[in-house]
Amino acid sequence: DTGVSQDPRHKITKRGQNVTFRCDPISEHNRLYWYRQTLGQGPEFLTYFQNEAQLEKSRLLSDRFSAERPKGSFSTLEIQRTEQGDSAMYLCASSQAATATNEKLFFGSGTQLSVL
Amino acid sequence: AQKITQTQPGMFVQEKEAVTLDCTYDTSDQSYGLFWYKQPSSGEMIFLIYQGSYDEQNATEGRYSLNFQKARKSANLVISASQLGDSAMYFCAMREGPRNFNKFYFGSGTKLNVKP
Repeated sequence: DTGVSQDPRHKITKRGQNVTFRCDPISEHNRLYWYRQTLGQGPEFLTYFQNEAQLEKSRLLSDRFSAERPKGSFSTLEIQRTEQGDSAMYLCASSQAATATNEKLFFGSGTQLSVL
Repeated sequence: AQKITQTQPGMFVQEKEAVTLDCTYDTSDQSYGLFWYKQPSSGEMIFLIYQGSYDEQNATEGRYSLNFQKARKSANLVISASQLGDSAMYFCAMREGPRNFNKFYFGSGTKLNVKP
């Protein structure tokens, strides 16, 4: 069981550049979530996929953000024209299909983004 | 309104002592799940314990127990016999159901420091 993996662990970029993060969920999990976490705060929901379908997006996800999950396996989160306010930890999580309230999320170690 | 409230930004506890981390929640659903996660400095969110809204007994997992008071909408985490490795951020989270299985709501966290 390899867990949820995220790449890269750290990303430093200049304002205005585009960045892309990757998440590989646990293989049998068909739900995948992206969260953003700023210093001293809990994770905030961004979006989630069931298989390859993106079923919900938070209002936090501006037009500069796009997420994909081709073939229902790994997922990418792209931020275009980065701003300093995008600096945060981006967490990916996966779970099996949630049919009950006890379905927990398994998280990756996150990608720490710093926008200079 | 905040779905999850954690009122203790930081806590100190002496090694081998017990500590209680507070969590209150807000939902109008009858069916929901409550979770606690630990986030060490490495960044990964680690699942600790789960309590379902219909569970009559408080959940326990090793040194972790959840003090569930449904009428007061509180779900406090109790860590017994604290260890130095327990120093971390702790997040309370809720999954509502059955209409809203897709989202977890997280609190702002409590930073626990265990003193030798």
